[in-house]
Amino acid sequence: EVQLAESGGGLVQPGGSLRLSCAASGFTISSNYMGWVRQAPGKGLEWVSVIYSGGRINYADSVKGRFTMSRDNSKNTLYLQMNDLRGEDTAIYYCARFWPDSGCLDYWGQGTLVTVSS
Amino acid sequence: DIVMTQTPLSSPVTLGQPASISCRSSQSLVHSDGNTYLSWLQLRPGQPLRLLIYKISNRFSGVPDRFSGSGAGTDFTLKISRVEAEDVGIYYCMQATQSWTFGQGTKVEIK
Repeated sequence: EVQLAESGGGLVQPGGSLRLSCAASGFTISSNYMGWVRQAPGKGLEWVSVIYSGGRINYADSVKGRFTMSRDNSKNTLYLQMNDLRGEDTAIYYCARFWPDSGCLDYWGQGTLVTVSS
Repeated sequence: DIVMTQTPLSSPVTLGQPASISCRSSQSLVHSDGNTYLSWLQLRPGQPLRLLIYKISNRFSGVPDRFSGSGAGTDFTLKISRVEAEDVGIYYCMQATQSWTFGQGTKVEIK
């Protein structure tokens, strides 16, 4: 059974850093495209970043230069290192698997809440 | 970026009655490979987001056949033929033809 479990969210001050993790089971992340998507309070879903099976990574302009996505294949875990956090980064962060043949996100985690506030 | 606009934003429905959600994109979702990467997602309370429909009209594994998708180009629709209590939640359309963008979400609730 495919499962994704995010962790690492919490309260952080503006300018601070946080690292999110997404532990995958039931499949191998290195063979798949994986993404981070976030949802700010009262707002819609927003794509954050994607890592392709070959290792290439793309970021949304809103996080480029501040967020770094990576994966540890030995742990089958995805990461999102978030630096220089701003109030507008407050959101629930979801990891999800992308199914490229069908152009959709087929499995999602429950999400982890990041709150940026002083 | 491709903007996805859903209507309505809220849909009160009587149990057993149909529901319909519209999703319009700011430009055609037909990819250069000929596919249209439009999908529908469901968010129920306490549950992870769930894929319902992919490539306009294909039901994902385990999705009941009361859910159906249709459309082409820039206009798409998700229909629930007979709403059940477990269908309460927020529904999102998503395009992956050019990067990934999502609709604002439509809240389906029981009258």
